[in-house]
Amino acid sequence: ELKVEQNPLFLSMQEGKNYTIYCNYSTTSDRLYWYRQDPGKSLESLFVLLSNGAVKQEGRLMASLDTKARLSTLHITAAVHDLSATYFCAVVFGGSQGNLIFGKGTKLSVKP
Amino acid sequence: DAMVIQNPRYQVTQFGKPVTLSCSQTLNHNVMYWYQQKSSQAPKLLFHYYDKDFNNEADTPDNFQSRRPNTSFCFLDIRSPGLGDAAMYLCATSGSRREEQFFGPGTRLTVL
Repeated sequence: ELKVEQNPLFLSMQEGKNYTIYCNYSTTSDRLYWYRQDPGKSLESLFVLLSNGAVKQEGRLMASLDTKARLSTLHITAAVHDLSATYFCAVVFGGSQGNLIFGKGTKLSVKP
Repeated sequence: DAMVIQNPRYQVTQFGKPVTLSCSQTLNHNVMYWYQQKSSQAPKLLFHYYDKDFNNEADTPDNFQSRRPNTSFCFLDIRSPGLGDAAMYLCATSGSRREEQFFGPGTRLTVL
């Protein structure tokens, strides 16, 4: 069964702190995406990770991919309130038609 | 700017009254997707078109239909909306099945 598991599902953190969101998936993947979603809004693409060891950074967010462990991480450095949102990872599994399988999302709340 | 446009942004319909949601794109992408996202859940793929080739997900109810009259436009028809169909409907496009998907702003559907 194709599964994508994120944890934690809820994350409340203080401004200035660091934290990591984890995304595990069940079988070989071609590529992995991280999206951000603000309440009532659509999905905004953050990162596309295509190969083992890929690391991408944008501002206070850094994403990495370990295809052997079937694990991606989204690391938040020195969180600020503006990062409050729900973060989804989504996986394209090898051999599929390319459909995205989403994790359940991590709702991040950054408090002053 | 190339983009994915959805209309209307908010739609209110009555129980059982057919409704059509619209998606258009200026990206000239081959693939167009429709997702349903209920509150606090991940997006769920309903179906997609690869060019004119329609691909329905196995668990998409028959109540949901789609049309793609040309490359730029795709429609989601809900034949008899029930209360459980209230959700955000997201349209996405990609150049090919395995490429990154770009999401439109979504249509929020309310069923009274």
